[in-house]
This record gives sequence, structure tokens and C-alpha cells, in this order.
Amino acid sequence: DAKTTQPTSMDCAEGRAANLPCNHSTISGNEYVYWYRQIHSQGPQYIIHGLKNNETNEMASLIITEDRKSSTLILPHATLRDTAVYYCIALRAGGTSYGKLTFGQGTILTVHP
Amino acid sequence: NAGVTQTPKFRVLKTGQSMTLLCAQDMNHEYMYWYRQDPGMGLRLIHYSVGEGTTAKGEVPDGYNVSRLKKQNFLLGLESAAPSQTSVYFCASSYGGGRETQYFGPGTRLLVL
Repeated sequence: DAKTTQPTSMDCAEGRAANLPCNHSTISGNEYVYWYRQIHSQGPQYIIHGLKNNETNEMASLIITEDRKSSTLILPHATLRDTAVYYCIALRAGGTSYGKLTFGQGTILTVHP
Repeated sequence: NAGVTQTPKFRVLKTGQSMTLLCAQDMNHEYMYWYRQDPGMGLRLIHYSVGEGTTAKGEVPDGYNVSRLKKQNFLLGLESAAPSQTSVYFCASSYGGGRETQYFGPGTRLLVL
């Protein structure tokens, strides 16, 4: 699975959009971009994933550049409860047979009032 | 749906004691996983299961045993606890392997004295 790089930390004002970047310049054509987050003292939570098209669900939007070397997770109206560590990972379609997740350091997003 | 639940939430053990952590999921998932998370180490896979009656070793299986007698339950056992096993333990489940979305439980905090 391709290595991903994320900023260590970011701040966002409550009610504003939070844009979290992720660099995955070595991603291969069959690797998906996945985002998970982990709120303090809780288990990781799936947010969204995509291959090359932009994706949106009830939690967030995922924008993937045309060359797929980077992506941005967008939380459209951040709340205090969105304060968490956000992990961007690349997973191959059909990857490891058992689907082990490996999180890097992630981005600590702090949403302030 | 309760999703993934873990029992207990917190436990203190003395070195050499044994215990069993219980994970239960009500999503009819085939795959289940046990991870541990330590500060600065990220998630590490201990054992996993691809179906009822099957288990396999992950990255850090030493000192742990698992059983999957029922599809909805995945048990993690520590036969003789050591201080190095002080950690937060997360259970997860997924419909399939590979890049299938994993759903995590709330975690069990274990302190071994």
C-alpha cells in the first residue's frame, strides 16, 4: 500500500469547513484512498473512501486530484465533536487477504469555538 | 444495531493473571480483528478471523490467544499477563477482507501491574 503524508495538526473554527490534505504521490491505479478518524478515547471510525472520482456522504466530501497524487477531506461545517485524529490511508483493491489497517501519524484536527 | 461492543471497558491485572476480552458484533460480518494501540505506535494487528471457527496470527500475536466459536463473537485471551501488554485493545469487524470498511468497538483499556 502506498505511503501517505499528512500535516501533523490543523485548526478550524466551529461552523467553518475543515479541509484536510493528504499526499499519496506513489499511489497506484488500483489503490483506493480511505479516511478514518479517531476521537479521543474512542475506536477509529470510517469516514469515506474513493478511487478517482470525488465522493460525498453524510459525513464528508473527498476530493481527489486528477493525477491522484493527493486528496482533500472536507468536513463542510465542522463542530467541536469533529476534533479528532484523521487518518488517510491507501488500500489496494483486493489488497491483503485479511485487510489489516495501518494508520500513520494522521492529522490532529482541533475545532475551536 | 449496537455495532461492535467490547467487554470490559477497563481492567487492571497483576502480572501473571489471565483474562479474556470479549468482542461482539451484530452486523453479520465475516471478518473480525483484534488490534492494540500504544502511544506513538499506531494500531497493530494481534489476531484476526475470516469466519466462524477460523483464526490467524497478525503482527504481534505473542502472549495472546483467540477463539471464534460463534460468528458474532471474537475472544482475546491473555494467559499470563505482562506489563508490556498494558495497552488499549480495539476489536473491529468487516463484511469481507481486503479494503472492506472496518467497524471498530469502543476499546478496552488494560493496565498490567
